[in-house]
Parts: sequence; C-alpha cells; structure tokens
Amino acid sequence: DTGVSQDPRHKITKRGQNVTFRCDPISEHNRLYWYRQTLGQGPEFLTYFQNEAQLEKSRLLSDRFSAERPKGSFSTLEIQRTEQGDSAMYLCASSASLHGYTFGSGTRLTVV
Amino acid sequence: AQKVTQAQTEISVVEKEDVTLDCVYETRDTTYYLFWYKQPPSGELVFLIRRNSFDEQNEISGRYSWNFQKSTSSFNFTITASQVVDSAVYFCALADQTGANNLFFGTGTRLTIIP
Repeated sequence: DTGVSQDPRHKITKRGQNVTFRCDPISEHNRLYWYRQTLGQGPEFLTYFQNEAQLEKSRLLSDRFSAERPKGSFSTLEIQRTEQGDSAMYLCASSASLHGYTFGSGTRLTVV
Repeated sequence: AQKVTQAQTEISVVEKEDVTLDCVYETRDTTYYLFWYKQPPSGELVFLIRRNSFDEQNEISGRYSWNFQKSTSSFNFTITASQVVDSAVYFCALADQTGANNLFFGTGTRLTIIP
C-alpha cells in the first residue's frame, strides 16, 4: 500500500455544478478525515469517519457538502451547487490510531 | 478555545544556516498533543513529530530538533545546517480533548532555503 490516494488531483468546475472527490485510505486504517485548505492558510477540519460511521462534522460543512464512507473503506466528498468560495485544496487523511495521521496529496478545486 | 499561532509567515535563509520556526499554542486542556508537518510543493502533508503535553523533553532527529516549553506554550522547530530540500511550508498543529478527533493547524511558515 502506497499511502492515502485522492482523485482527482485537480478539478476545475463552473459555479453551480456538483463535484465529487474520492479518497482511498491506507487499507488497515479505520479512521478517515477530510480537511480543507485555502490559499495561505492551514488545513481546517471538515469531518471524521470511524469505519463507515460519520462521527464528527465541522460547522464548515454546510448543507451543500456531504461525505460518505459506505463500506468503511474509500470515502467520497460531494459539493453541490459549487460557489467560488469553495475553491480550495481538499485533503484526506487516515489513521489506525488517534492522531496517527497519514495525509494524501489532496484535490485542488477551482470554481470559475 | 484552541489556537495555534505561527507568527513567521515567510523565512529565507542561505543554505547551511540554522533556522528556527516558532509555534505558540493555546488550549484549556491539560492533555494535548502537538505536531509539526511539512508541506512541499506537491501538497502532501508530511508528518514530522508528535509530542504529548506530559513529555517536555526536547527531541532531536538528525538535523531537526524541537523545543517544547509548557511555561511559554511554545513548540519551536529548528533545522540545523539547512538544505535546499528543506524548502516547504511548515505547519504546527494541536489536538486536545475538546477536538479529540481532529487537528487545529496554524497558518504555516513558508521556508525558502537559498542555494
């Protein structure tokens, strides 16, 4: 296993369109996290899964955002009706223990 | 409330010089963890160190060293004999019992090593 994989690496979309990102964690990791990073800022927590259960969601995760981890393996993050303010790097991380994070390379979203 | 402050936005040093990146944190918890991550241009966050609040021993790993001082709520990172490959954005982060399942990051310090 080569680490946490995220797809796509880059996504350009028009305002109002829906986008979906995928994260494949390290196979033995039961914890999965999504973070968002805007230009010049540190990553900000969005949501956390333990196996298939979504246990925590940030206030940053508006109604237009939804995340799933259907079988406790890969996860998807969908943004509906994208806005220019959604432009950011979306980072996924996984861990087998509390705080033992491995981050992926991220998906850079540009909303035009 | 949790907060991590990295006051240095950008630092440039000439190769082989030593450089220290500052990190000051705020938390009300007595049990917490502090981290440093490196983010090269590829975008991936690379884990460097995790330190819990009960362990104030300084740590050295090769050219990297960390100075944890609870009295000043600081967790500073020093690179000795810097190299061009050290050029990246470095983030300090905090995890405490309030946000037990997530990290609070600082705004990062962009380090440029000049050959």
